[in-house]
Amino acid sequence: ILNVEQSPQSLHVQEGDSTNFTCSFPSSNFYALHWYRWETAKSPEALFVMTLNGDEKKKGRISATLNTKEGYSYLYIKGSQPEDSATYLCASAGGTSYGKLTFGQGTILTVHP
Amino acid sequence: ETGVTQTPRHLVMGMTNKKSLKCEQHLGHNAMYWYKQSAKKPLELMFVYSLEERVENNSVPSRFSPECPNSSHLFLHLHTLQPEDSALYLCASSQAGGDIQYFGAGTRLSVL
Repeated sequence: ILNVEQSPQSLHVQEGDSTNFTCSFPSSNFYALHWYRWETAKSPEALFVMTLNGDEKKKGRISATLNTKEGYSYLYIKGSQPEDSATYLCASAGGTSYGKLTFGQGTILTVHP
Repeated sequence: ETGVTQTPRHLVMGMTNKKSLKCEQHLGHNAMYWYKQSAKKPLELMFVYSLEERVENNSVPSRFSPECPNSSHLFLHLHTLQPEDSALYLCASSQAGGDIQYFGAGTRLSVL
């Protein structure tokens, strides 16, 4: 994998559903994997930064896992709420000390009441 | 409020104009970034400044000229832009070393 790829591109779920999306990234020269949440007309907001293979991080109903050997990360949202509707971006920092991030195209999540 | 402020929020300019985008961070960070997001494309890194020194220029055309006079301020000077340069321009800051980046709300630029 040369680029950062996210799937699916968009997702519609009902309130209360749990959901997950995938980020694939180059596993060579890996430094860190970032997840951001971007609501319309607002700034992207950091959710997690993960560096170690097998890392799992949690923030409220949102959690993420990291597999650096195979180059993927999953983001999970438990019991989705309408306020979770946003674009979820992942970005890979590859072997640099100054945070050069390569972003995926994002997964657009819409949670219907 | 992320602590990163961008002005203006919206800008319309002609191809012969010269304008500047401004970014200011109040977080004590020592790295600042310019990103571009065009329609249907991922966020694309343009420039990185670390300790006020430019450390990355991601093959950006010379009609975009960054300036970082101190660790709190970052500018993007624009001249003779093309319509395809119309996009959302985001600024971010972080502690040097690949830490979380804090983003501004962006400047929506339209080039006529």
